Amino acid sequence: QKEVEQNSGPLSVPEGAIASLNCTYSDRGSQSFFWYRQYSGKSPELIMFIYSNGDKEDGRFTAQLNKASQYVSLLIRDSQPSDSATYLCAVIPSSASKIIFGSGTRLSIRP
Amino acid sequence: KAGVTQTPRYLIKTRGQQVTLSCSPISGHRSVSWYQQTPGQGLQFLFEYFSETQRNKGNFPGRFSGRQFSNSRSEMNVSTLELGDSALYLCASSHQGQNTEAFFGQGTRLTVV
Repeated sequence: QKEVEQNSGPLSVPEGAIASLNCTYSDRGSQSFFWYRQYSGKSPELIMFIYSNGDKEDGRFTAQLNKASQYVSLLIRDSQPSDSATYLCAVIPSSASKIIFGSGTRLSIRP
Repeated sequence: KAGVTQTPRYLIKTRGQQVTLSCSPISGHRSVSWYQQTPGQGLQFLFEYFSETQRNKGNFPGRFSGRQFSNSRSEMNVSTLELGDSALYLCASSHQGQNTEAFFGQGTRLTVV
């Protein structure tokens, strides 16, 4: 079992709709969770972090964390073509001080 | 506040050569991690340095090595380059501790021919 798993996609969403990206993790004691956006040929950019169960909203982005089910999700409301990118889920597990990344989900917003 | 700086941005090397990449973290950050990213492979963790000590290491051969200096700047070295080493090498810096996000540099695009 991979430590952090994401569906590789591509996930195709019409412009203006809600894009939902999911991530599961294996270490139940993980405390810190991050979402990064990576445009093709560019480096990852941190867009959200969440530490507590529940929802955290920032503009059009909402991160959701459910520690009991060991999943974290990212919702993008009113999706724009500029949201087309690969989204990386990252977790700091309880057992290590390093950040572990999922392989990413490629999101495509179609006009 | 300056971000993470990686140099050089692009590099072309020949098989068998060695290469050194540099990373200057955000001021005050003491942790530097290195990643290799190839198409379809995602981010592969190479190693992490904290206060000049390697704290974590990924599953890469010994040809990949690194170090960190007292000013937290880090270098990564790859010896005896192979074609498969062609990749985007990313450096990320962060503070110490659990709830600390990582910030990436622009990366070094290495092409081995």
